[in-house]
Amino acid sequence: GAGVSQSPSNKVTEKGKDVELRCDPISGHTALYWYRQSLGQGLEFLIYFQGNSAPDKSGLPSDRFSAERTGGSVSTLTIQRTQQEDSAVYLCASRLQGADGNTIYFGEGSWLTVV
Amino acid sequence: GDSVTQMEGPVTLSEEAFLTINCTYTATGYPSLFWYVQYPGEGLQLLLKATKADDKGSNKGFEATYRKETTSFHLEKGSVQVSDSAVYFCALSDRGRDDKIIFGKGTRLHILP
Repeated sequence: GAGVSQSPSNKVTEKGKDVELRCDPISGHTALYWYRQSLGQGLEFLIYFQGNSAPDKSGLPSDRFSAERTGGSVSTLTIQRTQQEDSAVYLCASRLQGADGNTIYFGEGSWLTVV
Repeated sequence: GDSVTQMEGPVTLSEEAFLTINCTYTATGYPSLFWYVQYPGEGLQLLLKATKADDKGSNKGFEATYRKETTSFHLEKGSVQVSDSAVYFCALSDRGRDDKIIFGKGTRLHILP
């Protein structure tokens, strides 16, 4: 597609429920990132996929968080047993590694509210 | 490890004032440097970038020069507008390490009419 696409754009869920957030990166982009932005906070790195390499999961805050990237394209971020502190905007970004000045392009984000 | 430090906000200026938002970095390799902007209720957008020392990135009247000697990438604009009110993020990508993008904490800018 023309840009990074994320869905849902808004999600309200009850505490304890599982949620899945989807990211469709720019076609051909080899690298994909998930970040989290809490209200009034900066960007917190969560996970990074690059090609067929093992993902860098060093930013995932707990084992309730997981992500996968199927076929080197679409990625899903899953949060199990959601807690109120998980409320945030989850941003996905992609880039064409080694090209375009290493610029990353962000989606509009998925706004998650846990009630 | 690599890091980005930018001035804390909020920064409040009057319209047509001169803007500087400071950003310094540490990196072990040869990073590309970026400024991203987030307007209220919107996602992050690339504002400008520079890929090597002494490069100047510019867009929408904003400029930043990659200063290797001072490890800085300060954002400047000569005359700000109310529509520039947003959060600005400085970031680096260390090409030599092929690593994740490192962001600063962001600086909120308020422009008063």
